[in-house]
Amino acid sequence: GNSVTQMEGPVTLSEEAFLTINCTYTATGYPSLFWYVQYPGEGLQLLLKATKADDKGSNKGFEATYRKETTSFHLEKGSVQVSDSAVYFCALSDKDRGSTLGRLYFGRGTQLTVWP
Amino acid sequence: EPEVTQTPSHQVTQMGQEVILRCVPISNHLYFYWYRQILGQKVEFLVSFYNNEISEKSEIFDDQFSVERPDGSNFTLKIRSTKLEDSAMYFCASNILPRDLGYTFGSGTRLTVV
Repeated sequence: GNSVTQMEGPVTLSEEAFLTINCTYTATGYPSLFWYVQYPGEGLQLLLKATKADDKGSNKGFEATYRKETTSFHLEKGSVQVSDSAVYFCALSDKDRGSTLGRLYFGRGTQLTVWP
Repeated sequence: EPEVTQTPSHQVTQMGQEVILRCVPISNHLYFYWYRQILGQKVEFLVSFYNNEISEKSEIFDDQFSVERPDGSNFTLKIRSTKLEDSAMYFCASNILPRDLGYTFGSGTRLTVV
């Protein structure tokens, strides 16, 4: 089946530190992979995506590379800011014919807190 | 920027009562979804809806749940007789095209069943 496993939180970093949040997946088909972010009091927002192996998604200084050989999509940022404090969710959407409307499978979310 | 709007932001209800969670998707979107997140657990898919009918539903979406798009603008989730285990954050989402473009999610309704 389809599932996503992501790093347990919370993660606490100082400003300008390097961030990695690990995400691995299992999928029956050829998934698209996503990172969503939820800031306090807001909805889930798409942060970045990759639709095929070796694609790199990037946005706002965050990057993640779709690694089919390791079934991973780790989120990285070289220098975090206080404003990056949020919950980060890894997700996949399987292109399998049984899920024609792109049902998303999420991880549990990782709480990131950045201190000044 | 267009938003998906959910109301109320927080609802408390007694066990056995019916609740309706409301969502206003983005106006030109055609695909609608409900997800939920029980505290500390994964965000879980409930149902997808397109062309005025359910396209897919998960094992969670049993006979106690129903969805409706009553007036071309609202998209509602009804829980007929709430249980304690229905307490969760419920997210509505909409999309122009499925899968690759990513969804737009609302900010959620926190449902507390007491």
